[in-house]
Amino acid sequence: QKEVEQNSGPLSVPEGAIASLNCTYSDRGSQSFFWYRQYSGKSPELIMSIYSNGDKEDGRFTAQLNKASQYVSLLIRDSQPSDSATYLCAVPPGYSSASKIIFGSGTRLSIRP
Amino acid sequence: DAGVIQSPRHEVTEMGQEVTLRCKPISGHDYLFWYRQTMMRGLELLIYFNNNVPIDDSGMPEDRFSAKMPNASFSTLKIQPSEPRDSAVYFCASSFLGAGSYNEQFFGPGTRLTVL
Repeated sequence: QKEVEQNSGPLSVPEGAIASLNCTYSDRGSQSFFWYRQYSGKSPELIMSIYSNGDKEDGRFTAQLNKASQYVSLLIRDSQPSDSATYLCAVPPGYSSASKIIFGSGTRLSIRP
Repeated sequence: DAGVIQSPRHEVTEMGQEVTLRCKPISGHDYLFWYRQTMMRGLELLIYFNNNVPIDDSGMPEDRFSAKMPNASFSTLKIQPSEPRDSAVYFCASSFLGAGSYNEQFFGPGTRLTVL
């Protein structure tokens, strides 16, 4: 089992709809969770961090964390063509001082007009 | 802050040549990471430093790869000799782990390496 798993996609969502991206992780000791967005040909950009069970909202983005199920998701409301990118879930291992991060393989999101 | 700075942005070289990639982390950050990204293997951690000291180099593919961090504001990743399979985008990232921080990593723009 991979340490951080994501559906590779592509996930196609109509403009204006909600895009839902999912991620599962294997290390129960992990305490912090990150979502990065990567446009084609660009570097990963941190867009959301979440540390507690429940939801965290930032503009059109909502991160959801369920530690019991080892599941973290990212919801994008009112999807725009500019949201088309690859989204990487990233989780520090729980055994260390969380100095490194394990990245998932990413989900490619396409917003269709 | 200027963010993480990498140079060169693009590098084309011939097999067997030495390649040196450079990185300047965000001022005040105490962790520096080198990653490699390819379509086949995704984003791979090669090595990371804490306070200029290498902590984990288990991701370095082989002895042809080496990395140094002589001071808090500069790091290099060297490949000698380079091979076509080293062609990838190499990213440098930095972070700060301390009070109020959860060690979020910030990436540089990357160096696209092509080995012919």
